[in-house]
Amino acid sequence: GAVVSQHPSRVICKSGTSVKIECRSLDFQATTMFWYRQFPKKSLMLMATSNEGSKATYEQGVEKDKFLINHASLTLSTLTVTSAHPEDSSFYICSAVAGADNEQFFGPGTRLTVL
Amino acid sequence: GNSVTQMEGPVTLSEEAFLTINCTYTATGYPSLFWYVQYPGEGLQLLLKATKADDKGSNKGFEATYRKETTSFHLEKGSVQVSDSAVYFCALRLSGGYNKLIFGAGTRLAVHP
Repeated sequence: GAVVSQHPSRVICKSGTSVKIECRSLDFQATTMFWYRQFPKKSLMLMATSNEGSKATYEQGVEKDKFLINHASLTLSTLTVTSAHPEDSSFYICSAVAGADNEQFFGPGTRLTVL
Repeated sequence: GNSVTQMEGPVTLSEEAFLTINCTYTATGYPSLFWYVQYPGEGLQLLLKATKADDKGSNKGFEATYRKETTSFHLEKGSVQVSDSAVYFCALRLSGGYNKLIFGAGTRLAVHP
């Protein structure tokens, strides 16, 4: 149980285009999901907290107009990277909170490459 | 501020060797502490956790003890296997109802036969 999927697993896009990444909780409902960014050989950096039915809460330094988050249902959150640039190339990981311990279950990540 | 510091890798060991990956933290209040493992091509998985001082988390032969006096949560395993090769992340979660995790930089472990 507690499986989280992400789609796509890899995406390559041209500079200036927008890319949408989906995060789904497959066998549970999650009112809270998180989006992280992982740089090569670096830690996970929390970008934002996604709450179902309300606006996302962004961490300091993360542009909310560039990284649009929509948590429209209890099983789906989306991250849209708008007007992507090469510096947005990274590994994006989502997690969903479940259980009495508020444990985070992580998706497998999405590798974004912006040319 | 709140942060997690863990030893830099990569750590390279022979099979059946003893493993220690150091982790120290800085946090206000009484955080919960976690170790996550990321196998190649997969997402992070919770390995073990401890929620209060002197608690010992354990799983799959790995152990870590929450040491408040040294603000540490070192990961240990007595005999590593090739299948333990992965990246290990130490993390903390602040007390007070927050769900946010703060991660260390990760330590890559490579175990050779």
